[in-house]
Amino acid sequence: KAGVTQTPRYLIKTRGQQVTLSCSPISGHRSVSWYQQTPGQGLQFLFEYFSETQRNKGNFPGRFSGRQFSNSRSEMNVSTLELGDSALYLCASSSQGTNTEAFFGQGTRLTVV
Amino acid sequence: AQSVTQPDIHITVSEGASLELRCNYSYGATPYLFWYVQSPGQGLQLLLKYFSGDTLVQGIKGFEAEFKRSQSSFNLRKPSVHWSDAAEYFCAVGGSLTGGGNKLTFGTGTQLKVEL
Repeated sequence: KAGVTQTPRYLIKTRGQQVTLSCSPISGHRSVSWYQQTPGQGLQFLFEYFSETQRNKGNFPGRFSGRQFSNSRSEMNVSTLELGDSALYLCASSSQGTNTEAFFGQGTRLTVV
Repeated sequence: AQSVTQPDIHITVSEGASLELRCNYSYGATPYLFWYVQSPGQGLQLLLKYFSGDTLVQGIKGFEAEFKRSQSSFNLRKPSVHWSDAAEYFCAVGGSLTGGGNKLTFGTGTQLKVEL
């Protein structure tokens, strides 16, 4: 069974631009969560989607948004990029709606210059 | 405040020695507990999980963890460390106590170095 696939793996963007990251969950998994990982703040929860609905959101500004498609693939968008958005963005998929283990992708390394 | 604490930022052990990584949580009830491992530049790999039942859980790569309700702890152990175990280890809490769904709250991580 294929794991969680995140694309692209690496990205360099300029301040003020916007970026879209993609995540394909494990086949059959309906829940996708996104996390931001930085050396200073560690792993922080961004949001979770289940059956195309966002049902959990972390403490991030509105510049961070996401969506989930009917095939459970998810995208995350960051608008008006700031230098502090440089991070490893991790996607996790879970099989059920709640209280199930999460399987992570390799991440997308975003660098904002 | 609800939190997950990993008191050791860095730990160095010799290859073949035993290992224990500490994790404490502060929630009103027993949450779902996880240990993940991350190699440099990579995603997180699930080592083991505790949902309920037997308080000693076995995971992959020879790791085990023991849930102790009285101490609000979920420490990770390995009897004999291999050089390939060098990585960063994260304890995480999930379930309805963290906000519902599959949201995880992570500790700050413990960086493990293995001396040959």
